[in-house]
Amino acid sequence: DGGITQSPKYLFRKEGQNVTLSCEQNLNHDAMYWYRQDPGQGLRLIYYSQIVNDFQKGDIAEGYSVSREKKESFPLTVTSAQKNPTAFYLCASSIVGGSAGANVLTFGAGSRLTVL
Amino acid sequence: GQNIDQPTEMTATEGAIVQINCTYQTSGFNGLFWYQQHAGEAPTFLSYNVLDGLEEKGRFSSFLSRSKGYSYLLLKELQMKDSASYLCAVLVTNAGKSTFGDGTTLTVKP
Repeated sequence: DGGITQSPKYLFRKEGQNVTLSCEQNLNHDAMYWYRQDPGQGLRLIYYSQIVNDFQKGDIAEGYSVSREKKESFPLTVTSAQKNPTAFYLCASSIVGGSAGANVLTFGAGSRLTVL
Repeated sequence: GQNIDQPTEMTATEGAIVQINCTYQTSGFNGLFWYQQHAGEAPTFLSYNVLDGLEEKGRFSSFLSRSKGYSYLLLKELQMKDSASYLCAVLVTNAGKSTFGDGTTLTVKP
């Protein structure tokens, strides 16, 4: 079955350390996204990519970095510059197209990062 | 800027009907989406509207009025498993950028 795999599911990090969250999809989707979710809040867009080797900043990109070397993979690095990194991180993907239906998001199960 | 408003919490009774409202003011509009998210899990897609009117999908329906910047999600014949957070999202650009509301936590009681 096609889907999105995020790993690890839970991650603990000490302050000052960088950490990379993995996101892999086998849906053959062109676009991939990273969202952050804090308790009681909606999703905020960190970065997104519509094509290999290209990506754009979302609304809260500071302290994060991404790469898109393969269509299937879109890893997110949470750097030590991110002031408050403890959150639930969701990776998503979609078809790229002009119709709204092409932008329906399919999400991975999420990665919960806790900074100690 | 982008602004999407939803009620924070709602409570309803099993078997009843509930309407979750969403109002939006965004720099662009290419569609409005509803997602369901159970606690600790990933959101799943429910419905979307591009044009004004009602879209029906089984027990779930979604309505859109673009002139009023308003949408609602209607859940019929509520079941206990419908207890979840419901997220309203606006597709701001046709290049895939969506802005989400903070979500409405629905509690279904027996």
